[in-house]
Amino acid sequence: AQKVTQAQTEISVVEKEDVTLDCVYETRDTTYYLFWYKQPPSGELVFLIRRNSFDEQNEISGRYSWNFQKSTSSFNFTITASQVVDSAVYFCALSNAGGTSYGKLTFGQGTILTVHP
Amino acid sequence: DAGVIQSPRHEVTEMGQEVTLRCKPISGHDYLFWYRQTMMRGLELLIYFNNNVPIDDSGMPEDRFSAKMPNASFSTLKIQPSEPRDSAVYFCASSLRGQGSATNEKLFFGSGTQLSVL
Repeated sequence: AQKVTQAQTEISVVEKEDVTLDCVYETRDTTYYLFWYKQPPSGELVFLIRRNSFDEQNEISGRYSWNFQKSTSSFNFTITASQVVDSAVYFCALSNAGGTSYGKLTFGQGTILTVHP
Repeated sequence: DAGVIQSPRHEVTEMGQEVTLRCKPISGHDYLFWYRQTMMRGLELLIYFNNNVPIDDSGMPEDRFSAKMPNASFSTLKIQPSEPRDSAVYFCASSLRGQGSATNEKLFFGSGTQLSVL
């Protein structure tokens, strides 16, 4: 069975602070995908990143960066110089690679991030 | 480009009534998913379609739930009869899978339907 754990239920920071959202996953599959989605107050889920299990390179996109470590089964997300617009619920998710598991995401419980001005 | 369109945005109904949620996926996408979000269970997959054919409905909670995709541009999720525990946000998502190494498991979600069953 797959499982995604986001231990931080809520995080509150002041604008311009860096913040890291933790994600730990469990899977028996050797090939899988990891995702981060953002859910702003408007409610929709916005795709942020997908990472293959065989690609442990860290990724940076503007103020966002992701650290994938298979050794610790973690896929953490860092926002540098946070802004009020980053306030949202962030979900980490996991899926098996392809086949009939395509698109079957197992989500973590989400982390509510509040960035204060 | 229009994203995934769901209707209605909000639905309030009484227990026992039939509820129909609607979804228009992104044009050209070959996969469509119905997810449900609740405080207790988080986000969970209910059912998904590939080329209008249901592939996996193991997440559908009960026989009261049914989903159809009569064509590539429309899907419905029906609950009959509805119960208070069905209250949740229901998301529709679509994706274009791609081939081989270009396989792209990026799901585009709609804004969701907030369902309240009284």
